[in-house]
Amino acid sequence: ETGVTQTPRHLVMGMTNKKSLKCEQHLGHNAMYWYKQSAKKPLELMFVYSLEERVENNSVPSRFSPECPNSSHLFLHLHTLQPEDSALYLCASSQDQALKRDFGPGTRLTVL
Amino acid sequence: TQLLEQSPQFLSIQEGENLTVYCNSSSVFSSLQWYRQEPGEGPVLLVTVVTGGEVKKLKRLTFQFGDARKDSSLHITAAQPGDTGLYLCAGVNSNYQLIWGAGTKLIIKP
Repeated sequence: ETGVTQTPRHLVMGMTNKKSLKCEQHLGHNAMYWYKQSAKKPLELMFVYSLEERVENNSVPSRFSPECPNSSHLFLHLHTLQPEDSALYLCASSQDQALKRDFGPGTRLTVL
Repeated sequence: TQLLEQSPQFLSIQEGENLTVYCNSSSVFSSLQWYRQEPGEGPVLLVTVVTGGEVKKLKRLTFQFGDARKDSSLHITAAQPGDTGLYLCAGVNSNYQLIWGAGTKLIIKP
């Protein structure tokens, strides 16, 4: 594997389900990010991890819970989501929070 | 709140035509990035412009940063179906944060 990978690529879940999104980066970077991408809206930065510590949390609802067990892996745990949470969730990585982001292909999430 | 407005939101043209898309703000940015996102993929960085008035070329793509570093444009010459995608601009503000535009969806018809 190369670059940034994300699984699953597509996810459909009910409002009462619990699921997790996984991201892995193979670039040796030390910062990882979760973004939400909705149609016709700018990318929304959700969480930033640097050296496995959360350094930014942009007022994201608690039904989204990130986890970064090491510098290569990032998870987003989902619980009791709302239909308006349906979107493309993108993971990205960078070196030292540099401004160039390497993005994964995203997980297309649909909440019914 | 800093905003980056991209226009047009959507553009569909025939192969071989030229086009320009815009990224505008009332705020000054220290640099500006352009990304292309193809269907089913994440954004990929195309170029970063840093100096006011700077012009960078990437094959048939020409990127320009405004003199006042508040706006940027992307011009594509002789568009090809492979240019199809969502074009995103992102500006770096004084707090070293990335401010994203909503994107221009470009479709090039064969």
